[in-house]
Amino acid sequence: ETGVTQSPTHLIKTRGQQVTLRCSSQSGHNTVSWYQQALGQGPQFIFQYYREEENGRGNFPPRFSGLQFPNYSSELNVNALELDDSALYLCASSMGLESSTDTQYFGPGTRLTVL
Amino acid sequence: RKEVEQDPGPFNVPEGATVAFNCTYSNSASQSFFWYRQDCRKEPKLLMSVYSSGNEDGRFTAQLNRASQYISLLIRDSKLSDSATYLCVVNVRGYSTLTFGKGTMLLVSP
Repeated sequence: ETGVTQSPTHLIKTRGQQVTLRCSSQSGHNTVSWYQQALGQGPQFIFQYYREEENGRGNFPPRFSGLQFPNYSSELNVNALELDDSALYLCASSMGLESSTDTQYFGPGTRLTVL
Repeated sequence: RKEVEQDPGPFNVPEGATVAFNCTYSNSASQSFFWYRQDCRKEPKLLMSVYSSGNEDGRFTAQLNRASQYISLLIRDSKLSDSATYLCVVNVRGYSTLTFGKGTMLLVSP
């Protein structure tokens, strides 16, 4: 086990609603990255937080937002949900720029279904 | 051109077979390379990092050719438990984000 936890495990929402997903990073890690994995695709980078600051963002609209807390846990918020937001949302923790290899360890994911 | 491209799958092989996965990446600034394994409906798990000199971990061998921007993974003596999707992953140093390929599914049959 990686020590990275995510909640909830599964979630069903309807179009237009808002959702908050949570991630607790592995002990000693200060960086959390969020990824979206649609069915049959590889994970796609949403954004990353390093020591509570956003440290890079992928090609996702502003309705995807996030936070990192002083204990390095993190939230992903998605507003105005669309059907295409249905996916597995993964968070990964790492030592970020403080690591020579920046190996990232993934949580079990939250499976979001938008109806 | 996609940033990371992998062999389309699935690969169906019998137990004991040797199977090779290929991957190419487009960003020459890529500095770290990995193979992750993902079981059905589970999270990706790090299988191995890939180094320029090539590296081996038991039945698994990874190779990197920076000039060709090519990465490979060789699995020898396939086991039923090797059935999974194998994801090729690159990291551009300084940006600390992972770019994944689409993955190649491996099915090992008895």
